[in-house]
Amino acid sequence: RKEVEQDPGPFNVPEGATVAFNCTYSNSASQSFFWYRQDCRKEPKLLMSVYSSGNEDGRFTAQLNRASQYISLLIRDSKLSDSATYLCVVKEGGKLIFGQGTELSVKP
Amino acid sequence: GAVVSQHPSRVICKSGTSVKIECRSLDFQATTMFWYRQFPKQSLMLMATSNEGSKATYEQGVEKDKFLINHASLTLSTLTVTSAHPEDSSFYICSASVGGGKLAGTTDTQYFGPGTRLTVL
Repeated sequence: RKEVEQDPGPFNVPEGATVAFNCTYSNSASQSFFWYRQDCRKEPKLLMSVYSSGNEDGRFTAQLNRASQYISLLIRDSKLSDSATYLCVVKEGGKLIFGQGTELSVKP
Repeated sequence: GAVVSQHPSRVICKSGTSVKIECRSLDFQATTMFWYRQFPKQSLMLMATSNEGSKATYEQGVEKDKFLINHASLTLSTLTVTSAHPEDSSFYICSASVGGGKLAGTTDTQYFGPGTRLTVL
């Protein structure tokens, strides 16, 4: 079983749509949680950290459920520029463990 | 903000040659640098963690004699792929951290370099 699992997609959505990504992790001792964004052939960039209380940054909302070992990312009012691969990342013992990523394609 | 550079950005080499990739933290001193590898359509996989002045710690399944890591200063780490073969073709990405990445709940962030795309013919 992979340590961090994501639906690879692709998710093809129209502009303005709301899209949700899910992620599960296997190690209950994981310390911190993040969503990264990776554009094609580029390095990953931190999108936002994820907290148990849930957190929002503009059109992006992240949720963490430690009991279920589940992380989510909600994107509202999708823009063309949101097209990318979204990586669920868990920190364990100082190391970042990356999920496979979920590909999002926002169409006009 | 913290900037990490990598050089070269892209390299094509013949099978059997060695390739060196540099990772530099430009505006901060990095206690720890991490090396990742990413194959197409797959996740980033941590290869090794290196601390300045000490030997790198390799992840299970990563050959330390094939992937030589040197962290000679607080701003430079190098990864040398020795006797490269076509199966080593991949996207290699480094990241740098001030606090070693071990501090949970802190802003102990890893800053990623732009990556090096290696193609071995």
